[in-house]
Amino acid sequence: AQTVTQSQPEMSVQEAETVTLSCTYDTSESNYYLFWYKQPPSRQMILVIRQEAYKQQNATENRFSVNFQKAAKSFSLKISDSQLGDTAMYFCAFMKDQGAQKLVFGQGTRLTINP
Amino acid sequence: KAGVTQTPRYLIKTRGQQVTLSCSPISGHRSVSWYQQTPGQGLQFLFEYFSETQRNKGNFPGRFSGRQFSNSRSEMNVSTLELGDSALYLCASRESVASGQETQYFGPGTRLLVL
Repeated sequence: AQTVTQSQPEMSVQEAETVTLSCTYDTSESNYYLFWYKQPPSRQMILVIRQEAYKQQNATENRFSVNFQKAAKSFSLKISDSQLGDTAMYFCAFMKDQGAQKLVFGQGTRLTINP
Repeated sequence: KAGVTQTPRYLIKTRGQQVTLSCSPISGHRSVSWYQQTPGQGLQFLFEYFSETQRNKGNFPGRFSGRQFSNSRSEMNVSTLELGDSALYLCASRESVASGQETQYFGPGTRLLVL
């Protein structure tokens, strides 16, 4: 079974700073997908970024980028120029490419951006 | 396109009752998945439906069931409610279950409180 671990329950940074959220996962699959979702106080789960395991190039979406280390099974999220609206719970998630496809989530990191 | 919608948004029930939650996917999306979110257990996969068939099922008791209609709308039902069923129930849709269609988009959730 796949597991996802987020070792930072809470983080806090000042507006405009850069912050990195950590995520590690365990799987025996060779191909899979990784995601970061954010959940603001409204509880709406919003996709931030996705990464396909067979792609070596790290995904980027505007101020959000990932550092995907397949051998180390690590998938960290970097938020540059952080904004107050980035305050949210951030979940790292894993999905197999084949078979029983479901999102397996980490426990989340509560990120607070301070003015 | 309109996003995933879920009704009702809030629900209060008493132990022993049953409840039905509804989810309408993004137009054109044929797969619907359900997740339960609680403070203690985090986000857990309930089941996925595609083309009116249950494709995957998580590790939940038989009191949790679901179905999907020909228009891809889905319902989940919980019978004989227990206090521990209090949670945020999230629905997510994706275009299909084909390779490359793994990204799931979430609705706002239904918050269920069991008294």
